[in-house]
Amino acid sequence: NAGVTQTPKFQVLKTGQSMTLQCAQDMNHNSMYWYRQDPGMGLRLIYYSASEGTTDKGEVPNGYNVSRLNKREFSLRLESAAPSQTSVYFCASSEGTGPGNTIYFGEGSWLTVV
Amino acid sequence: AQTVTQSQPEMSVQEAETVTLSCTYDTSESDYYLFWYKQPPSRQMILVIRQEAYKQQNATENRFSVNFQKAAKSFSLKISDSQLGDAAMYFCAYRSALNTPLVFGKGTRLSVIA
Repeated sequence: NAGVTQTPKFQVLKTGQSMTLQCAQDMNHNSMYWYRQDPGMGLRLIYYSASEGTTDKGEVPNGYNVSRLNKREFSLRLESAAPSQTSVYFCASSEGTGPGNTIYFGEGSWLTVV
Repeated sequence: AQTVTQSQPEMSVQEAETVTLSCTYDTSESDYYLFWYKQPPSRQMILVIRQEAYKQQNATENRFSVNFQKAAKSFSLKISDSQLGDAAMYFCAYRSALNTPLVFGKGTRLSVIA
């Protein structure tokens, strides 16, 4: 019963390096999300994909790109990492984007940019 | 824009006692959903309880219940018979029925004292 799986769990990057966070869900959900969590800030939405083939910006999209590879997978890419992107990243999914749909979260990916 | 405020950064409760976590929100909409998520040290975000604004009856899930005051825009979480496993960060979240993404508060760290 995997649910939402993120990789890697931990990553240290140098400023200017690029990387991709991978996310996959096995619940046949239509909608997927990427959030970041900073100390004292709660979770903030970076990007989301309402359905396969669509992506939309969230609250804090600058410095990120996403790809909805298929229904199961939604990746987050940092093209040129900055120290301000040091954070914990959460992938999530829900059956639909309707407000009553429960959002299920992955276990998080710790990213440090030095 | 909607905002969610959790005014208690930290709370503590004795094992077996009851504790109430506060949450207020700001919105001009009449139809929306409210959630409480638990984040234990493992960092996994776990849905505790949800409330639909058009329902007057307060939601309950075993030892967890809410006090939803729509006019006051208040949504507090009551944990009864507190257990050591309840120790975690608790996040209040809001989602509009117009299908905007989840908006989180900054969280309340709950400690349970044996």
